[in-house]
Amino acid sequence: QKEVEQDPGPLSVPEGAIVSLNCTYSNSAFQYFMWYRQYSRKGPELLMYTYSSGNKEDGRFTAQVDKSSKYISLFIRDSQPSDSATYLCAMSAQGAQKLVFGQGTRLTINP
Amino acid sequence: DAGITQSPRHKVTETGTPVTLRCHQTENHRYMYWYRQDPGHGLRLIHYSYGVKDTDKGEVSDGYSVSRSKTEDFLLTLESATSSQTSVYFCAISDNIMNTEAFFGQGTRLTVV
Repeated sequence: QKEVEQDPGPLSVPEGAIVSLNCTYSNSAFQYFMWYRQYSRKGPELLMYTYSSGNKEDGRFTAQVDKSSKYISLFIRDSQPSDSATYLCAMSAQGAQKLVFGQGTRLTINP
Repeated sequence: DAGITQSPRHKVTETGTPVTLRCHQTENHRYMYWYRQDPGHGLRLIHYSYGVKDTDKGEVSDGYSVSRSKTEDFLLTLESATSSQTSVYFCAISDNIMNTEAFFGQGTRLTVV
């Protein structure tokens, strides 16, 4: 079993919809949770990170962490065609020096 | 954009030949990483460095070696390339041990024929 599981999709939604992307994990030592966006043939770019449990909002993006359920989510409000990309979750433990990634969810926003 | 450059961006090589990929940063970040990205596997860590001459293995290190003689450069060498090493390789840098703000290069697309 992988440490981090992420539904690869693909996920296709109409413009303006609320998108929910999710990851589950098995390692209870993870404390830092990141979301990356990757456009085709580009490197991943950091969207946001969250420490421990709770919510964090940045514009149209909201990250949620539920450590009790080992479940994290990224919500995208008012989705735009420019949000079409692969979204990767990543996690790290205190002092671990490395990230563990989910396999990414491919998202398409249809105009 | 973070100052991180990978070279070459594309390479085709023959099985059995050595290949070296370069990652160059201008951010003076301590931590540098090499990942490979393959369909169905996401990003997997090959090797990482936590300082000049300080490196360690990741989860898929077999067949790869690394070197870091300067803060700004991190080299990945495929000692004898195999077709299973056909992949997209990404370098990443971070200024903290938790990788809360890791920045990635644009990637190197390597094909081993």
